[in-house]
Formats: sequence, C-alpha cells, structure tokens
Amino acid sequence: AQKITQTQPGMFVQEKEAVTLDCTYDTSDQSYGLFWYKQPSSGEMIFLIYQGSYDEQNATEGRYSLNFQKARKSANLVISASQLGDSAMYFCAMRGEYNFNKFYFGSGTKLNVKP
Amino acid sequence: GAVVSQHPSWVICKSGTSVKIECRSLDFQATTMFWYRQFPKQSLMLMATSNEGSKATYEQGVEKDKFLINHASLTLSTLTVTSAHPEDSSFYICSARDLQAGGSVTYEQYFGPGTRLTVT
Repeated sequence: AQKITQTQPGMFVQEKEAVTLDCTYDTSDQSYGLFWYKQPSSGEMIFLIYQGSYDEQNATEGRYSLNFQKARKSANLVISASQLGDSAMYFCAMRGEYNFNKFYFGSGTKLNVKP
Repeated sequence: GAVVSQHPSWVICKSGTSVKIECRSLDFQATTMFWYRQFPKQSLMLMATSNEGSKATYEQGVEKDKFLINHASLTLSTLTVTSAHPEDSSFYICSARDLQAGGSVTYEQYFGPGTRLTVT
C-alpha cells in the first residue's frame, strides 16, 4: 500500500523568503509519480508540480521545485520568493505503478506567508 | 484548458433528503472521473472512481447505496447523496483525467472547485 506523510501541519514564512514543505512516502512500487497540489481557502485543488520516480533531475516549475531524494523516499516542495498569495494548504500526493488513477494524499501543510 | 466544474458550489439540505452534485469536464473528454470527500482540516479521501458507461468503483468503507454515482457521458459525472444526514456534511471534490492525455506519464488529475454540503 502507498502512504504519504506530511509532518508539518502549519508553517510560517516571511514574504520573499524561501520555504520547504516536507513530504515522505512509502511504497513498494518501482514506478510511481509524486505530485504537489495547492488548495487555497476557496477549496479548489491547483496542480503545482510533478516528479516521476525515474526522473533523474528534480522537477521545477517557476518558483516551485521538488527536492526528490529517492533513497530517503522524500519529495519536499521548495517555494522560492514566497508571496502573500502562496498562503494556502499544500498537499503532497502519490500515484502508484499499477493503478494510475488512484491518488494517495498526505494530510497537508497550512502555509502562512507573513508580510 | 483542462477545466473541471462542479455544481452547485454549496448546498444546504435537510436531513433525509437527497442531493445531487454535478461534475463536468468543460474542454476535454474524461472516461474516468473521481469523487473525493474532504472533512474540515483533513486530507482528501477517494470515495469512488466513476467510469463512463459502467458502474462506479467504490473504495472500501464507502456505501454505494448511499453515494450514487452516474457517469452518463464523457463530460459529466454525478454524485447523489441519498437520505443525507448531518455526518454527510463535507466538502466533495471531483477530478477528471483528460482522455487525450492518456499517454502522459504524469496521469495528472484535474480537480473541480468542490461542493460544500451542509445537512441540517
């Protein structure tokens, strides 16, 4: 079975600073995908970034980058130059090798960006 | 592109009544849609996978007779909460996969904006 763990229920960061949101996972699958989603107070889930288990380079999308450490089974999200609009819940998610449709979500991290 | 809508965005109903929530893929076709439930300050839990033209697949512990799912077309799936009770109050979110992106290695899901259900 797959399991996603986010150990930071809440985080504060100063505007314009970088912040790292932790995510560890557990799986016996050889091939899997890791995702980060942002959920603002409005409730919609916004896709941020994806990392495949066989990708050798860390994924980057604008101010978002994924620090993928396969041996440690971690997929931390790094947000550079935080903005006030980054305040939201952030979920790490994973899909396995055999059921591409089933996503497993972590418990989320509430990020607050201070002006 | 890849926009998913939900209707209604919020609904209040009385205990014992049924409520239907619609999930539409606006600019792509989706043979598979997913229904999630999210309780306050908790994560998303997959309830069921909705397949166009066939029966939905429910996750363990989800009552299929209580949460009726119909996926009648490639752009529409509905979730009906039957005989709703206060404990069914939650945020329901649907997602969909783009049929044309079937070769995408990400198998990304596009999420709707969610429906907040309150049962009084």
